[in-house]
This record gives sequence, structure tokens and C-alpha cells, in this order.
Amino acid sequence: DGGITQSPKYLFRKEGQNVTLSCEQNLNHDAMYWYRQDPGQGLRLIYYSQIVNDFQKGDIAEGYSVSREKKESFPLTVTSAQKNPTAFYLCASSPDGLNTEAFFGQGTRLTVV
Amino acid sequence: DAKTTQPPSMDCAEGRAANLPCNHSTISGNEYVYWYRQIHSQGPQYIIHGLKNNETNEMASLIITEDRKSSTLILPHATLRDTAVYYCIVRGRDDKIIFGKGTRLHILP
Repeated sequence: DGGITQSPKYLFRKEGQNVTLSCEQNLNHDAMYWYRQDPGQGLRLIYYSQIVNDFQKGDIAEGYSVSREKKESFPLTVTSAQKNPTAFYLCASSPDGLNTEAFFGQGTRLTVV
Repeated sequence: DAKTTQPPSMDCAEGRAANLPCNHSTISGNEYVYWYRQIHSQGPQYIIHGLKNNETNEMASLIITEDRKSSTLILPHATLRDTAVYYCIVRGRDDKIIFGKGTRLHILP
């Protein structure tokens, strides 16, 4: 089955700890994205990558880091510098180009206590 | 910032057509209009996209005005399962996909 997989679905961490969220796709897509969603709000872009070994900051990159060492993987690390890390995190991928749809994972709900 | 403006919420009776408007007055010539929807606590689902011509698929129709400054997503026969937040997005040259606040569509039985 082709698709985009985020794991785990729910994640709990203590304040001050870094945590890495997984995003894997087997769709052979060039572009991958990370979004954050807070309750009742829209999606905000954290980071995106158009090609392996390259990525750009989105609108709310502070306190987050990413890597793109492989085409199929785009892990997001929520660092202790992120002031309000508790949120719903969504990963997406798409083929290169403006005339292509993006596919989303089912999200990871991170709770920091 | 999102390049689109949508009403925050809309109601539609079950079985009727739901018409969701979107303004994108600063759209550039090569930017596409995309529609996604998000059902509570799930990842957004692609619905349809277009450049300048009207488009139709099994889920919906997309009507883009001639000047491309606005568009309308049409769900021809709304059901309760269409209750969701609908996002209109303009996808630009930099390949960012920026979401606005969307329209919360309530389907009334």
C-alpha cells in the first residue's frame, strides 16, 4: 500500500526533553512538509523540503529542527526551545510541481507535561 | 500568510448543494487553486484543484472566475459525512502549501 505514515499517533513527553516525530512516505515524492495544528486552528507550516539534503523554514520554525537524508523520510525534532510544544503535528508529501496534490499523514498528537 | 479568504462557517441542508466561496485576489498567473478538507482530528484530504478552467471530479466541482480572483467549491449533494473544515489554498512558485483558517461546513439533517 502506498502512502504516508506518521508514528506514533499519540506521544507524551516531559517538559525539557527533545522528541522526534517520524514521517515516512513510499510514494516517491520529492517534496515533504511539516505542519502544526492547535485546537480550533488551521495548519501552520513548520518546515518543508523540496529535495533530499535540502529544506526551508516555514512560518513557525523556531524550536524545531528537521533532516532530509533520504527521499522517503522527513523526521521532525521538537526541541526544548519550543515554548508550547503540545499540539497536533501533520506531515505531508507531494510530487514536484505546482499541478500536484499533497497527501497527508494521520498526524501525531504530542502532549508535553 | 495565507493568500486566501474564506467565511469562517457555513450551514447546508443535507441533500442540497453546498457552495463554498474563496477569495484569492492576489493570485499569480501560474498559481493553482487547491481545495482540501479536514474531518476532526484527521489529516487533510485532497478534494480538487484547478488553474483557470472549471474542474469536476467524483467528489466536487470547482468554479474559478474568469479573472481568477475567486473560486467556488461545489459539493453537489451534501451528506452528513461532508461535515468538515474546508481549506482553499493557492499553491505558488516556492512550492509552499500555506493553509488559511478555512470554512467550517455544517451539514444539517
